[in-house]
Amino acid sequence: AQSVTQLGSHVSVSEGALVLLRCNYSSSVPPYLFWYVQYPNQGLQLLLKYTTGATLVKGINGFEAEFKKSETSFHLTKPSAHMSDAAEYFCAVSPSSNTGKLIFGQGTTLQVKP
Amino acid sequence: EAGVAQSPRYKIIEKRQSVAFWCNPISGHATLYWYQQILGQGPKLLIQFQNNGVVDDSQLPKDRFSAERLKGVDSTLKIQPAKLEDSAVYLCASSLVQGYTEAFFGQGTRLTVV
Repeated sequence: AQSVTQLGSHVSVSEGALVLLRCNYSSSVPPYLFWYVQYPNQGLQLLLKYTTGATLVKGINGFEAEFKKSETSFHLTKPSAHMSDAAEYFCAVSPSSNTGKLIFGQGTTLQVKP
Repeated sequence: EAGVAQSPRYKIIEKRQSVAFWCNPISGHATLYWYQQILGQGPKLLIQFQNNGVVDDSQLPKDRFSAERLKGVDSTLKIQPAKLEDSAVYLCASSLVQGYTEAFFGQGTRLTVV
């Protein structure tokens, strides 16, 4: 069965500092991997996704993530945090043999301090 | 392009009452998903439709939950009777085709069962 683990339910960084949100997955088949962001009282918005090809994926708002098969990881990074990045972030996996169903991690709340 | 529309945004009911949520996906999107997001957890898929057919309802509590997608467009999710543990945000999402294209999420319906 596929699963996603996000390390750290809360992450706090200073404005301008590096953002690193950790995600590890388990999948018996090659996975498709996603990061979504959720602002308060909003739905989920796709930040980026990995399907095939280049393992370093760039997304919106300056975020990027790297698929590391050997480490079963898909960590999300941003070089410099902005106050507007404060939100909840979800990592998700979809097995390549699947119909599009997403299995989400429990989420990481990012706090950005001025 | 209009996004995924959901109503109502908020609903408070007493346990054992019934409730229904409505979702209108993005025009032309064949695949529709209902997710349940309990506070502090990631979304969990309840049911997936491809046009008006059910693709996956393995995690839908069928003794109390039901969903339909008439004519392959709008969808309703019903809970009858509601339990306290059904308190959650119910998210509707749609995608153009089944598989790995981006799923677009609505703002969700926040249900509180008292």
